[in-house]
Amino acid sequence: SQQGEEDPQALSIQEGENATMNCSYKTSINNLQWYRQNSGRGLVHLILIRSNEREKHSGRLRVTLDTSKKSSSLLITASRAADTASYFCATGSGNTPLVFGKGTRLSVIA
Amino acid sequence: GAGVSQSPSNKVTEKGKDVELRCDPISGHTALYWYRQRLGQGLEFLIYFQGNSAPDKSGLPSDRFSAERTGESVSTLTIQRTQQEDSAVYLCASSLGTGGFYEQYFGPGTRLTVT
Repeated sequence: SQQGEEDPQALSIQEGENATMNCSYKTSINNLQWYRQNSGRGLVHLILIRSNEREKHSGRLRVTLDTSKKSSSLLITASRAADTASYFCATGSGNTPLVFGKGTRLSVIA
Repeated sequence: GAGVSQSPSNKVTEKGKDVELRCDPISGHTALYWYRQRLGQGLEFLIYFQGNSAPDKSGLPSDRFSAERTGESVSTLTIQRTQQEDSAVYLCASSLGTGGFYEQYFGPGTRLTVT
């Protein structure tokens, strides 16, 4: 069963705007990861945030984690047309494989 | 170094035929995963291998699906008597270990179309 649920399912913004995607999950986790997928092919890892961290940055990406609310958000600042992709959160717990959500489809319009 | 590779990149087959999909993981990665992704959907876990441990087959949708891995190298996913509902992109990923602390590296996928 899928644990992570991204919200919204689809998001369309203008180039230069910020994009925020949310992920909610149900059980305890060790960490949460965000991945990006272009054109239905392989996923690329973006960032990992551990359960004892609250915020993490990587370039134009900012990830927050609120374990009390069992939720995470991914913020992409100053979006570009090349950011158009699907974004997935994946939760990790113990030695079990990551569980991926259904993804948010982001469209950045030039 | 080389990433995860998969072959073929595209496969069209007739309903009822068997297909074999191949995954070459990154050298040194002990964990290997297979996922299925239907059009516009999320990733559906199928099976994973961790070193010499017995594989976790809990995600395989039916007994028509099977997978093998030789040591820590190549893996093949076999779908017997294919059905139209098997049409999807099959993604393979590898990582240094299982568990959420490890980043997964994905291959480009095999797009399977069953006619």
